[in-house]
Amino acid sequence: EAAVTQSPRNKVAVTGGKVTLSCNQTNNHNNMYWYRQDTGHGLRLIHYSYGAGSTEKGDIPDGYKASRPSQENFSLILELATPSQTSVYFCASGDQAGINQAPLFGEGTRLSVL
Amino acid sequence: AQSVTQPDARVTVSEGASLQLRCKYSYSATPYLFWYVQYPRQGLQLLLKYYSGDPVVQGVNSFEAEFSKSNSSFHLQKASVHWSDSAVYFCALSMSNYNVLYFGSGTKLTVEP
Repeated sequence: EAAVTQSPRNKVAVTGGKVTLSCNQTNNHNNMYWYRQDTGHGLRLIHYSYGAGSTEKGDIPDGYKASRPSQENFSLILELATPSQTSVYFCASGDQAGINQAPLFGEGTRLSVL
Repeated sequence: AQSVTQPDARVTVSEGASLQLRCKYSYSATPYLFWYVQYPRQGLQLLLKYYSGDPVVQGVNSFEAEFSKSNSSFHLQKASVHWSDSAVYFCALSMSNYNVLYFGSGTKLTVEP
């Protein structure tokens, strides 16, 4: 069964600390995405990737880095976490644009930066 | 630039009533359009999707949506809602590049008994 798994599901971090959010997909999809969800904004795209070794900036990349070491894994890295990065983060995987493809989402990671 | 607008942040309906959740998009060509649902503390689940063909598209759990190019809209509808339909609904669009989705701000649906 197609799946996108995020870890951790919940994280409390300190301001200035480093945070790594992990995402694993078993769908053999080329593309992976990181979004954050905030009330009133819906989901906003942070970074995405076309495949292993590639990362692209989304609409709100500042303060975030991404890493795609393999087809299955895509990480989001906060080098110096700030309280404004408190949010719920969603990873998704998908394939080339087409009506038969729609991105699949993970369950989310709830991050609090104190 | 592309954008999606969901003008209603919250909608409350009675169980058994009909439902319409509104979605307007802005994009120069015909986009791929999606509706997702999010239940509390869960990820997003696809309800339905559209690109071309019949402007009325059927989805899961008796939801349907109607595409209107003239109105740049993709409204979600259901004939009779159930309490379990209470959730947040997101409209999204994608252009032809790599399935990047652009989301509206979401509509929180509450179904009252």
